[in-house]
Amino acid sequence: DAKTTQPNSMESNEEEPVHLPCNHSTISGTDYIHWYRQLPSQGPEYVIHGLTSNVNNRMASLAIAEDRKSSTLILHRATLRDAAVYYCILRGHFGGADGLTFGKGTHLIIQP
Amino acid sequence: DAGVTQSPTHLIKTRGQQVTLRCSPKSGHDTVSWYQQALGQGPQFIFQYYEEEERQRGNFPDRFSGHQFPNYSSELNVNALLLGDSALYLCASSFNTFQETQYFGPGTRLLVL
Repeated sequence: DAKTTQPNSMESNEEEPVHLPCNHSTISGTDYIHWYRQLPSQGPEYVIHGLTSNVNNRMASLAIAEDRKSSTLILHRATLRDAAVYYCILRGHFGGADGLTFGKGTHLIIQP
Repeated sequence: DAGVTQSPTHLIKTRGQQVTLRCSPKSGHDTVSWYQQALGQGPQFIFQYYEEEERQRGNFPDRFSGHQFPNYSSELNVNALLLGDSALYLCASSFNTFQETQYFGPGTRLLVL
């Protein structure tokens, strides 16, 4: 699997937007970009995924660079409940049969 | 609808012992994956089960083995425990579909003394 690079930690204020970056310069043309997050004392949970176009759901938005070598997870209005470790993961074309490859992720701290 | 459940929540073992962890998948899911998460690290993929067979395996020794039952529930067995096996063990379930979302349980915290 291609590798991803994320900042170790980021800090933001409550009720402000948060942009979490992810670099994946060796991404292949068929790799999907997935984001999971892990709240304290819980298992990871799915956030969003995409291939080329920007994606939105009730939790977040995913902005994918035109060359696909980077992406940004956007939390539009952070709450204290969004404090978690966020993982950016690449999944190959046949992603139905493989395990997820987690890195160390970005520890997001939300200040009240 | 119950999500993914795991048992036990915590476990303490000594070196050399064997341990069995259990996982019940989310209703309707037929695929179960197991992960090991050491303190301060991201989860590491151990293996995945589908149709009662191990379908894919990560970089873990044969001391780690598993089983999937006809009702899709699964067990993770670890033999000859080492101190380094102390970790949070996570189970995730999913449908067997393209780019499927994995749903994680709360994990079993294993401490090896």
